[in-house]
Amino acid sequence: SQQGEEDPQALSIQEGENATMNCSYKTSINNLQWYRQNSGRGLVHLILIRSNEREKHSGRLRVTLDTSKKSSSLLITASRAADTASYFCATDFSTRGVQGAQKLVFGQGTRLTINP
Amino acid sequence: NAGVTQTPKFRVLKTGQSMTLLCAQDMNHEYMYWYRQDPGMGLRLIHYSVGEGTTAKGEVPDGYNVSRLKKQNFLLGLESAAPSQTSVYFCASSYSLTALGTNVLTFGAGSRLTVL
Repeated sequence: SQQGEEDPQALSIQEGENATMNCSYKTSINNLQWYRQNSGRGLVHLILIRSNEREKHSGRLRVTLDTSKKSSSLLITASRAADTASYFCATDFSTRGVQGAQKLVFGQGTRLTINP
Repeated sequence: NAGVTQTPKFRVLKTGQSMTLLCAQDMNHEYMYWYRQDPGMGLRLIHYSVGEGTTAKGEVPDGYNVSRLKKQNFLLGLESAAPSQTSVYFCASSYSLTALGTNVLTFGAGSRLTVL
C-alpha cells in the first residue's frame, strides 16, 4: 500500500504542552498535506509541504519533511482544548488519473486529546 | 457560502436496497471526490471526477456508481447495498491543478450509512 502511516495512533497531553505527530510513507511523493478532523465532522486542510521543502510554519503549526527518510512530522505548539481532533497526513504521489487529476492517499490518522 | 453539502446525513438500509448520496458544492470546483472512512482504515477513495460528465475509479470502486451531470453535483449510488458498505462517506471537491501543483480538498460533513 502507498498509504501514509501516522504515529502514534493516539496521543493525550495536557493543555499548553506541545504535540508531535509523525507520518511515514513508502514511495516518492510530490507533496504532503495535513488535515484535521473534529469528531463527527469532515476533514479540514491545515498545511501543505512540497517535496523540495524541509520545514513550514503556519501559526502554531510546524511541519517538517524528510524525503530521505520518507517521513513528515506535525508539531502543534502550546496546545489548546480546541486542538482535540484527529490529524491525517495525505500524500500526493506521482501517479495521475484521468486528465491529470492527482489523488491524495490518506493515512489512518492520529487521535489527539488535549486535557484541560 | 455553504461549501460542500452532503445529503442525507444519516441513512439506514437493508441489504439489497439501493440509494443515492448527493454532494453539492458552490465553489465552482472542477474536481470532486467520494471517500469512505472506516475505523482503522483511514479514508479510501471510491470514485472521483475531473469535470462535468467525466468520472474515474478510485481505490475501492466496487459496488458503487457515480454520476457528474452538473459541475456542482456529484452523486454516489449503491445499487444493492451490502453490510460491508456500512461506513461514513465523505464528499470533497477541489480546483484543478493550481499553482500549488496539487489539489487541496474541501470536505463535506459526511454521510453515515448503516446497512443491516
